[in-house]
Amino acid sequence: GESVGLHLPTLSVQEGDNSIINCAYSNSASDYFIWYKQESGKGPQFIIDIRSNMDKRQGQRVTVLLNKTVKHLSLQIAATQPGDSAVYFCAEIPMDTGRRALTFGSGTRLQVQP
Amino acid sequence: DAGVIQSPRHEVTEMGQEVTLRCKPISGHNSLFWYRQTMMRGLELLIYFNNNVPIDDSGMPEDRFSAKMPNASFSTLKIQPSEPRDSAVYFCASSPTGRNTEAFFGQGTRLTVV
Repeated sequence: GESVGLHLPTLSVQEGDNSIINCAYSNSASDYFIWYKQESGKGPQFIIDIRSNMDKRQGQRVTVLLNKTVKHLSLQIAATQPGDSAVYFCAEIPMDTGRRALTFGSGTRLQVQP
Repeated sequence: DAGVIQSPRHEVTEMGQEVTLRCKPISGHNSLFWYRQTMMRGLELLIYFNNNVPIDDSGMPEDRFSAKMPNASFSTLKIQPSEPRDSAVYFCASSPTGRNTEAFFGQGTRLTVV
């Protein structure tokens, strides 16, 4: 069943193209960031993380870029596949509060057209 | 490991009834989180435990909500009395010791209060 909102920003791409999903965060003290993928009816699944002392990190087909100056995070997916269709969330842990739980953004829906 | 296990997967109850959601974290993980996901508010942290002790419950909506973690392998989230606005998907997540680590999510419990 559907577990995410119907009013999320949506990115539609063709299979094989590269996808870029963006996230703006508000807490300049955040020092750890994660991208999660959530498929319909499932819980969020870890994709990749990055610490604030880095500006880029690469995984398998995915790259995360961090721009602390403008508090912006992006997820790049290379050669997007139909299985990449899902809602993507960025999440952060702020350093200044002592609270080590993840705070999630509102999410972006990625639709991959065959 | 089977991952984070939540039960039930679906719960339909009448307004005013007590609802108990259950979670078994990944063995060896010291932190446990309860999140709620709705269309309007996205993923919200309700409460988290570290070594079975509640650390931050500022996200718990009101006194009708309570959470316990009697031991390292079990946690409950109780709503009494339930209201239609409590309808949501409730996720439990766990993470190992350490401040900057990913959280592993369960499949969620979809709660419908009629």
